[in-house]
Parts: sequence; structure tokens; C-alpha cells
Amino acid sequence: QSALTQPRSVSGSPGHSVTISCTGTSSDVGGYNFVSWYQQHPGKAPKLMIYEVTKRPSGVPDRFSGSKSGNTASLTISGLQTDDEADYYCCSYAGSQTLVFGGGTKLTVL
Amino acid sequence: DVQLEESGGGLVQPGGSLRLSCAASGFIFSSYWMSWVRQAPGKGLEWVANIKRDGSEKYYVDSLKGRFSISRDNAKNSLYLQMNSLRAEDTAVYYCARGLTTFGVVIDLDYWGQGTLVTVSS
Repeated sequence: QSALTQPRSVSGSPGHSVTISCTGTSSDVGGYNFVSWYQQHPGKAPKLMIYEVTKRPSGVPDRFSGSKSGNTASLTISGLQTDDEADYYCCSYAGSQTLVFGGGTKLTVL
Repeated sequence: DVQLEESGGGLVQPGGSLRLSCAASGFIFSSYWMSWVRQAPGKGLEWVANIKRDGSEKYYVDSLKGRFSISRDNAKNSLYLQMNSLRAEDTAVYYCARGLTTFGVVIDLDYWGQGTLVTVSS
């Protein structure tokens, strides 16, 4: 149950795109199509943004998209907006009814 | 609207115990798996535990097995986390969250409470 690996920080300009990676192993990210992404603004609860690698919950803009290749999942945010500035966490099913999160990535919109 | 409200956090001495509660509303509580997730100050999220709809199955992160216990009372629409032998490293905001399942496993957490802060310190 080791944490998934995410970059500590990424940045982008308004209107541009950024991609956040999430690297695990064949026991979690690579073994299942059960990767989700959460957005967390300071002092707030996490919000589900992507589930099952590519699916968006109702109300999440289509500027947010997810993908996966092998043991690495990615979250891409296009058309960056200032409100996108937040921490982002990936999460994967890791077998035996357990979940594992990534260390989190701070997105700065310059 | 789905609402989850945690309570029971506070300051506790090392070695002490605390019981967190999570009051659920706006959905059929007994139809969902539920989870606890924690976040140490300035740190990332850590999954703590899951509990099945009827409470018959419980799963924990390896590092907390034996010290923490998840339970629920469907008649009261409430989720609980009993924390024993608390250590300084258990200091965190504890969130309850509703689980989405597929093939009988929790794969996502679609609604979260605002969290309750537990501080373990002498």
C-alpha cells in the first residue's frame, strides 16, 4: 500500500493546458481501470473530478479529462481557469478492497 | 442533497482513544459502502477504512489494523470510527465519504464531509 507518485507541483497559464501524472504499479494503477482524481481547494473537502480513469461526474466540466497507460494515469485540464488552482490527488483501487492515494499535486495557474 | 457531517474530533493525549461520528442525510445510507479518509496537516490524503452496506465487511489500511475500527448504524444513518492507542502521527483531519462500487468493490468516493480535526498531543 505505497502511495502513488505524483509531481509535487505543476503550473500553467490561463487558457492553456496542464497534465498531472500518477504513477503506480501493476498492483494498483496498472492492474485495474479504477483510477479517480480529486480536486481540493485549501480548507475544503476533496471533490471527485474523474472516476474509472476517464469518466466525469455530473457537473464536472469537460475541460477535465483522464487517461491511463500502463502503470501511469494522467489528468489533463484544458482551458485553465484561475479557479482550477488547487491540489489534485489521484486514487486507485489496490486490490483486496483497499484504496491508495497519490501524494498530491499543487496546481498553480499563473 | 447528499450531506455528510463529521463530529467527535478534538485534542487527545497519546495513548488515548476517540470515537468519530459521521451523520449522513439526503440518500439511502444503507445502500452505500462508506469510507474514512484522513489528511495530516499539510500532507496528502490517506485512505483509512471501508465498510460494507450492512456492516458485515470491513477493510483497513495495513498500518492501522488493530488500532482503528470502522462501524455503522443504518437505523441512525451514522458511520463511526473508533480510534485507540492514538499517536502523534494520527493527528489529521478525518473525512467520511460515500463509496461508489463496481463488482462489489469501492472504487471511488463521490461525496465527502467537511472533516473533523483530531490532534494527538500531550
